[in-house]
Order: sequence, then structure tokens, then C-alpha cells
Amino acid sequence: DSGVTQTPKHLITATGQRVTLRCSPRSGDLSVYWYQQSLDQGLQFLIQYYNGEERAKGNILERFSAQQFPDLHSELNLSSLELGDSALYFCASSAGNNNEQFFGPGTRLTVL
Amino acid sequence: AQKVTQAQTEISVVEKEDVTLDCVYETRDTTYYLFWYKQPPSGELVFLIRRNSFDEQNEISGRYSWNFQKSTSSFNFTITASQVVDSAVYFCALRMPGAGSYQLTFGKGTKLSVIP
Repeated sequence: DSGVTQTPKHLITATGQRVTLRCSPRSGDLSVYWYQQSLDQGLQFLIQYYNGEERAKGNILERFSAQQFPDLHSELNLSSLELGDSALYFCASSAGNNNEQFFGPGTRLTVL
Repeated sequence: AQKVTQAQTEISVVEKEDVTLDCVYETRDTTYYLFWYKQPPSGELVFLIRRNSFDEQNEISGRYSWNFQKSTSSFNFTITASQVVDSAVYFCALRMPGAGSYQLTFGKGTKLSVIP
């Protein structure tokens, strides 16, 4: 158990819908990262927050957004969902920017 | 641009055999970090090791060992006396420290199947 929690574990929704994925980092970790794992693209970095502020952006679509709250939990919002958004979404946390990232169990999103 | 290549898509070995998973990386920076993660069938990503670019010492942890060679830009992972529980997808990843850029760049992964 990495100490990073993600909810829900599974999510099934329809095209055009909006969903919110939630992540709680390990106790004391200030950095939260979101990654997407799909069959065709592999594991790709989406976005990083550090202590509530956006720190880095990767291949994140404009339909996707995230935030980190004062209690350090983070949410990833996915809107206008398309079939291609079906993937495993991971959240990771680290104590600082130069520390290893510990991953949550992931949220499997299926868009029908 | 940084890139990680894991040329072996799938490997099958018989239990108790040794197996080496290859990882080749590309980066123009002299300071960087390399990682290995394990993704068992249950789906979570498990951190195995972190190595910075200034530390070329090989590391051994039980049945696991890592060989880092800057001259060939490789960071290979060997499992000795493999066990069925080692069956998983293994990812090599690269990260470059820098202002605001701490994301991991992953290889495509190598699926290891250990047959009893």
C-alpha cells in the first residue's frame, strides 16, 4: 500500500459526460501528479500540483482540468468525454519535487 | 527531448531463471533521475528504485539488481531466480530536475511472465 488513495476505483460513463476523479496524497506529501495510462499512448504525464499551485503541465487536453485543495487532496475533472478518454488514471504524490513518486491504485474510466 | 526505450515488449521465463529487462534513455542533460516501477496484474504501480545520474554504482536488493551505465545510456534491471510473483509489467522512467518540471517520462514497459 503506497499510502496514496484514489476514488472511485472504476467509473463507467457515456460520451459527452463529465466526471471527477479524486486523489488523496500520502500524509505530508505536497506534490501531486496525474498520469493517464492507455493502450496506445502508454503512461503519460498530465499535470502536477505543488502545495496548491499548478507546477507543470504535460499532455493534458483542454477538456481536462485539475486542482489541489488546501488539505492537499486533488481532483481531476474530465469533461465532454470521448471514447478515447477511456484509460487508467493514476495519481502520484511525492514529498518534494526531487523525491520518488508513489502511485495510487488508479481509477479505471470507461467511456461508452 | 527526453525519451525512454524498452525494446523488449514481452519476455517469458521459466521459474528460477534469471532475466534482464533493458532500458535505454535519451536526454541532453547531465543531471537526471532514473526509476523502475512494477505494475502487477492488479494494476497499481509499485516504486522499485531511483538512481541519479551522478551515482553509477550498481545496486542490489535481494533478488533484484540494477546496472546503470552512462556510457551506453542504459539502466538495466535483472531479476535473479525469478518467481511467479515477479510476473508483471515493468516500467523504466526518466525525470529531469528543473524549474517546475518533475514529471516522469515512461518507457512502454516490458511484460514479464514467469512460468511455473
